Amino acid sequence: RKEVEQDPGPFNVPEGATVAFNCTYSNSASQSFFWYRQDCRKEPKLLMSVYSSGNEDGRFTAQLNRASQYISLLIRDSKLSDSATYLCVVGLQGGKLIFGQGTELSVKP
Amino acid sequence: GAGVSQSPSNKVTEKGKDVELRCDPISGHTALYWYRQSLGQGLEFLIYFQGNSAPDKSGLPSDRFSAERTGGSVSTLTIQRTQQEDSAVYLCASKEFGAGTQYFGPGTRLTVL
Repeated sequence: RKEVEQDPGPFNVPEGATVAFNCTYSNSASQSFFWYRQDCRKEPKLLMSVYSSGNEDGRFTAQLNRASQYISLLIRDSKLSDSATYLCVVGLQGGKLIFGQGTELSVKP
Repeated sequence: GAGVSQSPSNKVTEKGKDVELRCDPISGHTALYWYRQSLGQGLEFLIYFQGNSAPDKSGLPSDRFSAERTGGSVSTLTIQRTQQEDSAVYLCASKEFGAGTQYFGPGTRLTVL
């Protein structure tokens, strides 16, 4: 079993759609939680950190449930520029990051 | 300011040769991480440095892989006697001491023929 598991995707959605990504992690010692975005043949870039209280950044909302070891990302009013691979990431002691396989999102006109 | 830089950006080598990959972290960042991303695979952790020490090298796949960091700055990842399964993008990231965001470099794409 992978340490971080995500929806396999790909997700193909029209512009303006709301899309939700889910992720589960297995290591209860995980200390920090993130969503990263990776464009084709580019390095991953931090989209947002995720907190138990939930957090929002514009059209993006992230949620963490430590009890069920579940992380989510909601994208509202999706744009063409949101097309990318979204990586669910957990951080362990020392800052070591464990990445999910990623979910590919394609937003179509 | 300048981000994380890596060199070379692309490296093609023959099976059995040694390669060195270089990472220049963001100035002042004490923590440095190496990851690799194989075709169709997720990113996997290789090794982490705090200053010049490597508290966690648990992700190095075999003893052909080694890394060092000098002066609390530049790091090199060395792969000896490369194999075809070593082909991947090798990514370096750095961050400040303590909690904080890891910033990734553009990666080195290694192809072993």
